[in-house]
Amino acid sequence: QVQLVESGGGVVQPGRSLRLSCAASGFTFSSYGMHWVRQAPGKGLEWVAVIWYDGSNKYYADSVKGRFTISRDNSKNTLFLQMNSLRADDTAVYYCARDLTMIVVAMGYWGQGTLVTVSS
Amino acid sequence: EIVLTQSPGTLSLSPGERATLSCRASQSVSSSYLAWYQQKPGQAPRLLIYGASSRATGIPDRFSGSGSGTDFTLTISRLEPEDFAVYYCQQYGSSPGWTFGQGTKVEIK
Repeated sequence: QVQLVESGGGVVQPGRSLRLSCAASGFTFSSYGMHWVRQAPGKGLEWVAVIWYDGSNKYYADSVKGRFTISRDNSKNTLFLQMNSLRADDTAVYYCARDLTMIVVAMGYWGQGTLVTVSS
Repeated sequence: EIVLTQSPGTLSLSPGERATLSCRASQSVSSSYLAWYQQKPGQAPRLLIYGASSRATGIPDRFSGSGSGTDFTLTISRLEPEDFAVYYCQQYGSSPGWTFGQGTKVEIK
């Protein structure tokens, strides 16, 4: 079965960097687009970034553009999110999610999330 | 950027009642790119509906989606105890970008 497991969260000071990982299993990772979605404490969902199945295209929310970088290693079935210049408003649970199918643009599978807290 | 506005913010209903949730877009959205998710406290979101009206695998048929253009609806025909949760609509549009509505909480009356 599809499994997505995020890691790398923690407490970090403003201005510092953090790298999140999402280990995928149970499907052909290299065939699917992958997303990062975040949720600040007590708030709604915010899409962060997407990467095409082959890494050829990457897109970001305006709120993270220029600070965050999404990438993937298809040989290791792993998705990454490099977060630089972190701010307090980046505090959130970060989820990785997989497109439902190679055609359907909806997030069909989600990990359980990893909490990032930006605080001095 | 397309903005999705969900209403009401909170829906207070009893088990067995019908729930009707609205999602309105600031610009026309392709039905192919409109989805609904359910999220329970402490859990990741779960896909319910994609393509505005197609149920995801394993989703009970009491959940249905409809709509087109700028107005979309999620209907839960008879609320079960496990349906009390927060529901989000989501669209994929040009830019490209994905946006979520702010959510509707369905709570027990």
